[in-house]
Amino acid sequence: GAVVSQHPSRVICKSGTSVKIECRSLDFQATTMFWYRQFPKQSLMLMATSNEGSKATYEQGVEKDKFLINHASLTLSTLTVTSAHPEDSSFYICSAPFGVGQPQHFGDGTRLSIL
Amino acid sequence: GENVEQHPSTLSVQEGDSAVIKCTYSDSASNYFPWYKQELGKRPQLIIDIRSNVGEKKDQRIAVTLNKTAKHFSLHITETQPEDSAVYFCAASGSGSARQLTFGSGTQLTVLP
Repeated sequence: GAVVSQHPSRVICKSGTSVKIECRSLDFQATTMFWYRQFPKQSLMLMATSNEGSKATYEQGVEKDKFLINHASLTLSTLTVTSAHPEDSSFYICSAPFGVGQPQHFGDGTRLSIL
Repeated sequence: GENVEQHPSTLSVQEGDSAVIKCTYSDSASNYFPWYKQELGKRPQLIIDIRSNVGEKKDQRIAVTLNKTAKHFSLHITETQPEDSAVYFCAASGSGSARQLTFGSGTQLTVLP
C-alpha cells in the first residue's frame, strides 16, 4: 500500500489561479520531502527539497516565489503554485524517504492543467 | 552536481527475452542506485536498488549490477512479460540523510506478445 499520500490527483483551473498540493507521509515521520516535476515523456526533475521546520531548498532555475513550499509538520508538506500559467501544466510528484538511508517512496502525483 | 545518463531511450523485446538498460553516473561519491518503474500517468515504483558496497543484487526476474570503477550500473529483466512494459528510470544518490535523487532520462520498454 501507499506510504506517501498526495492530493489532489488532478487539477484543472484557469490561468492566474493558485493551486495547493498536499503530500503526507503515512505512518512515518518525514523531516525531508522532495518535490519533482515531470513533463510528458520526460524524466523527473527535482524542484525543491522540503525541510520540516525550516526553509525549502530550491534547485537552480526554480522560482521560490512561484512555487511556495511549506513543511509545517513531520507528516505534511505542501506545494503551492502561485498565479499558475499554462506553462506550469505538468505532473507534480512528491516523495519521502522512509527513514535515514531508506528508499524514497512517491506519492501518486498531481496532474495540473492550466487553461 | 550529479549527472545520470540512461540508454537506450526505447527498447522493444519479444516476450520471454531479456531486457537490459544501462546507466552511467558522474559523481564518484554517489552510493545508492535505485531503479523505478513508471506506468503511464502513475507514480514511479521502486523495483530494485543497490548500494555501492555491493556489485550485484537479484530479485526473481530482476537484477542490477554496479561497476563503481566505471561508474555505471545496469538493470536486467529476464523472461520478460507484457506487463513489464513501462518506463524505467535509474537514479543515483549521494551520502547523507537528504538522499536527493538524480534521475536518468528513462527507457520506454515494450514487451511484444
